[in-house]
Amino acid sequence: QVQLVESGGALVKPGGSLRLSCAASGFTFGDYYMSWIRQAPGKGPEWVSYISYNSGYTNYADAVKGRFTISRDNAKNSLSLQMNSLRVEDTAVYYCVRDPYTEVLTGFYDLWGQGTLVTVSS
Amino acid sequence: EIVLTQSPGTLSLSPGERATLSCRASQTVSARYLAWYQQKPGQSPRLLIYGASSRATGIPARFSGSGSGTDFTLTITRLEPEDFAVYYCQQYDNSPRTFGQGTKVEIK
Repeated sequence: QVQLVESGGALVKPGGSLRLSCAASGFTFGDYYMSWIRQAPGKGPEWVSYISYNSGYTNYADAVKGRFTISRDNAKNSLSLQMNSLRVEDTAVYYCVRDPYTEVLTGFYDLWGQGTLVTVSS
Repeated sequence: EIVLTQSPGTLSLSPGERATLSCRASQTVSARYLAWYQQKPGQSPRLLIYGASSRATGIPARFSGSGSGTDFTLTITRLEPEDFAVYYCQQYDNSPRTFGQGTKVEIK
């Protein structure tokens, strides 16, 4: 069925690195813009980054710019987020999400994964 | 960045009652680029409404969205037991896309 499954969340110390992955299935992954959204405990969701369907465009929230890198492998139907120089305030559930229309950036999200928890603490 | 303020923070209602949730933007959201999501405990958000008033696939007709400019509303005409959850609005007019802080609809 159509789904996104994240993995890679863990407990990491401040200053550490982590790589999140998202496996897509049930749809033509390479046709869609994809994003990472995070949600700190008890807070609303926060957009982190997006990547275009062909990897030609990426964008990042100011809070993560220069520390996080989004990438995708359309042949493997996978999305990744490399997170470096992690801070306590990066603690959140990270969701892999899909824009609803092919080859178009809309900025709302019709498909969400179940999320993976990243905890940054000493 | 556009700040979205949702009110009330918590809405206490009984099944069968009408729920009216508000989302106010700090600046005009053009072309009605406003979405609503529902989130239940331990689950990821689910898209309910996009374009301020269009229901997403599979969303029951008791959910409706309205509004324009800076003021938007999500209405649930008759609350079902499964509708008790947290609701978030989100704008996708400007970058960065931003979400409200949520309104919790709880059983009275």
